[in-house]
Amino acid sequence: EAQVTQNPRYLITVTGKKLTVTCSQNMNHEYMSWYRQDPGLGLRQIYYSMNVEVTDKGDVPEGYKVSRKEKRNFPLILESPSPNQTSLYFCASGRQVGNTEAFFGQGTRLTVV
Amino acid sequence: GESVGLHLPTLSVQEGDNSIINCAYSNSASDYFIWYKQESGKGPQFIIDIRSNMDKRQGQRVTVLLNKTVKHLSLQIAATQPGDSAVYFCAESGAGSYQLTFGKGTKLSVIP
Repeated sequence: EAQVTQNPRYLITVTGKKLTVTCSQNMNHEYMSWYRQDPGLGLRQIYYSMNVEVTDKGDVPEGYKVSRKEKRNFPLILESPSPNQTSLYFCASGRQVGNTEAFFGQGTRLTVV
Repeated sequence: GESVGLHLPTLSVQEGDNSIINCAYSNSASDYFIWYKQESGKGPQFIIDIRSNMDKRQGQRVTVLLNKTVKHLSLQIAATQPGDSAVYFCAESGAGSYQLTFGKGTKLSVIP
């Protein structure tokens, strides 16, 4: 089954404790992206990647890192999480943006206390 | 960056009626538009897309209309069903852009 898989689905952590949210897709998509979703603000792009070893900032990259060492994986790293990073995070993948849609994972609800 | 927004945050329709969800965009360079449906507890799911060289595109029970003159996008759902209850987002990207910009969403509630 074609899918985008995020882990974990739920995470509660403390301020400053490094964490990684994993994202994997099995569709051989070149494009992958991370979004955060907050009430009243919709979905905002954090980082995206057009291919292996190619990443770029989205609209709200501060406090986040990403890597794309393999085509299928695109982890989101919070080196020192803060409470304002409490949010619902979505990973997405697509053959390319601008011509095709993005497929989304089920989301990771992160709470930073 | 320029924003994509929605006219109405909530919409209630009677089961069997048609629904129309609107979206305004401000980036005249927007080249590609998508509608997504997000059910509670799930990630956004693709519904239909349209490119800027088209005015209308139809899918199964859904139609997207694009008016480039007034920078307006709409999603029409025919014979709305309870399963259509969700939040609907429009999104856009510019030509050659790898960024999708989302609107803030419209919540559609279907009254049985």
